[in-house]
Amino acid sequence: DAKTTQPTSMDCAEGRAANLPCNHSTISGNEYVYWYRQIHSQGPQYIIHGLKNNETNEMASLIITEDRKSSTLILPHATLRDTAVYYCIAGGGGATNKLIFGTGTLLAVQP
Amino acid sequence: SAVISQKPSRDICQRGTSLTIQCQVDSQVTMMFWYRQQPGQSLTLIATANQGSEATYESGFVIDKFPISRPNLTFSTLTVSNMSPEDSSIYLCSVDRGNAEAFFGQGTRLTVV
Repeated sequence: DAKTTQPTSMDCAEGRAANLPCNHSTISGNEYVYWYRQIHSQGPQYIIHGLKNNETNEMASLIITEDRKSSTLILPHATLRDTAVYYCIAGGGGATNKLIFGTGTLLAVQP
Repeated sequence: SAVISQKPSRDICQRGTSLTIQCQVDSQVTMMFWYRQQPGQSLTLIATANQGSEATYESGFVIDKFPISRPNLTFSTLTVSNMSPEDSSIYLCSVDRGNAEAFFGQGTRLTVV
């Protein structure tokens, strides 16, 4: 699995968009980009994943650069409940298989 | 989605003893995974548990310390053997339904004294 690099922490104002960057410059052609989040004292929760096209679901949007070396997770209207550690994972090959977690980004949504 | 039940949710154990953690899934799954999350840290994969075969351990984890059972497609156990305070962590099981979305249990918070 490719290694990912994320900022340690970020702040976002409630109601504003939260943009969380991730670098995965060593990602291989068949590896996906997955995003999970972990709210305090809970197990990680799946958010979204993609291969090379941008993806959107009810929770978030995923923007992957054309060279696939980086991506951005966008939470369009952050709420206080979005405060969590967000993990960007590069791996798999169509199926989740095993997930290798990096250090993640602690997103603090401020009122 | 998949509903995953882990037991116990937390425990305090004496050093030198062993604890077995159970993970029950509400539907059949091929692969189950066990993770450890040490205080303030990210998740570290311990092993992959497949039904009918021995678990596959990640670097730094061995079967003697973390024996795993996978008797059927909905259940697995992880044992933390001969515990020391360094084993104090949250242990989580996870399943993959094959659609790129993994589901996690709520974890077992283990404190070794």
